[in-house]
Amino acid sequence: GDSVTQMEGPVTLSEEACLTINCTYTATGYPSLFWYVQYPGEGLQLLLKATKADDKGSNKGFEATYRKETTSFHLEKGSVQVSDSAVYFCALNYGGSQGNLIFGKGTKLSVKP
Amino acid sequence: GAGVSQSPSNKVTEKGKDVELRCDPISGHTALYWYRQSLGQGLEFLIYFQGNSAPDKSGLPSDRFSAERTGGSVSTLTIQRTQQEDSAVYLCASSLTLQETQYFGPGTRLLVL
Repeated sequence: GDSVTQMEGPVTLSEEACLTINCTYTATGYPSLFWYVQYPGEGLQLLLKATKADDKGSNKGFEATYRKETTSFHLEKGSVQVSDSAVYFCALNYGGSQGNLIFGKGTKLSVKP
Repeated sequence: GAGVSQSPSNKVTEKGKDVELRCDPISGHTALYWYRQSLGQGLEFLIYFQGNSAPDKSGLPSDRFSAERTGGSVSTLTIQRTQQEDSAVYLCASSLTLQETQYFGPGTRLLVL
């Protein structure tokens, strides 16, 4: 079945460092891809998404490009802030009757001042 | 506007008791989803509704779990004869249609003693 694999955490970075969180997927079709973020004590929020190959999703300085050839959707940010400390989840779905999200295990990011 | 709300935010119960978890989706959203977040299993999909109908209940972990949605709005997830392995955060999400972005509620943290 379809699945999402994320790099193991936790990831600890200093403020202004570059961030990459790897995400790869296995899919039988052509899913939409998502990054969700969960800040401490809060619910899941959509960070960005891409619906087809070569699309780039971006939000709050984060970016991810849908790479069909490598089945990847890596999350990147050029300069992280302390406020970016959170758990990041990569996910996929197909919409319609297969609209349920399939999530990776999550990657905890801690950014130190 | 108001987001997805869930109640209660926390629930502690004794093994063998029944619990009801409530989700109020964003007004006008026709699709509603239930997920479970636990340390061992990560984020797993349970069930979705299109209107008041749940076409596929195969994601529910056991026959102790049931869900309903009335008036195309509020949904209730019921767990009968709770077990310790039911302890988790239960998340609800809604979307305008099955094709659209899912917005998550803050979750109900269930602890079964």
